[in-house]
Amino acid sequence: EAEVAQSPRYKITEKSQAVAFWCDPISGHATLYWYRQILGQGPELLVQFQDESVVDDSQLPKDRFSAERLKGVDSTLKIQPAELGDSAMYLCASSPGAERDTDTQYFGPGTRLTVL
Amino acid sequence: DAKTTQPTSMDCAEGRAANLPCNHSTISGNEYVYWYRQIHSQGPQYIIHGLKNNETNEMASLIITEDRKSSTLILPHATLRDTAVYYCIVRPYGGATNKLIFGTGTLLAVQP
Repeated sequence: EAEVAQSPRYKITEKSQAVAFWCDPISGHATLYWYRQILGQGPELLVQFQDESVVDDSQLPKDRFSAERLKGVDSTLKIQPAELGDSAMYLCASSPGAERDTDTQYFGPGTRLTVL
Repeated sequence: DAKTTQPTSMDCAEGRAANLPCNHSTISGNEYVYWYRQIHSQGPQYIIHGLKNNETNEMASLIITEDRKSSTLILPHATLRDTAVYYCIVRPYGGATNKLIFGTGTLLAVQP
């Protein structure tokens, strides 16, 4: 069964350092999402890509976060500089295409970030 | 804000059916009801979704009331591995942005 791959699974960093997370969606999925989940809360969308284009990044803190999906396949989420409040689980999801009526999202295992 | 209301937690005995309720009284005609679950420290797992009719798959059944203002997810024979947070989400179909708006979900604890 096809799955969304993410790496690393765990990342510990010090504040003010740069971190990057990688996501490989299910093959053929046009839409890719990055969510952030703070402990005890549900995931919240940071950014959505349709192919290589950003569709929604309204909740992405653009002063320190960046995301790219250059070839419309895999994606990288970067934080620079990391702050203590960025400690969270970062989840990647993919779906066949946002234009479809039912566009089910499938999630990867996540990257657990701890900022010291 | 999430457009659904779920109980904070529920218990279920192993082998029995688990019935998880969800209220979505403001649901619109073009919105689906989705259910995901999240086992501790893992990514959310898709379970099932529906629009009007009841749905069943290998994991669960989804019962939607006729007025669509509430629904119930049924796990027919709960096991210890079904212990997780279950999220009920309403989401419109079509359109450019398809983000899922998660609430705090229901923590289902399956007891041996």
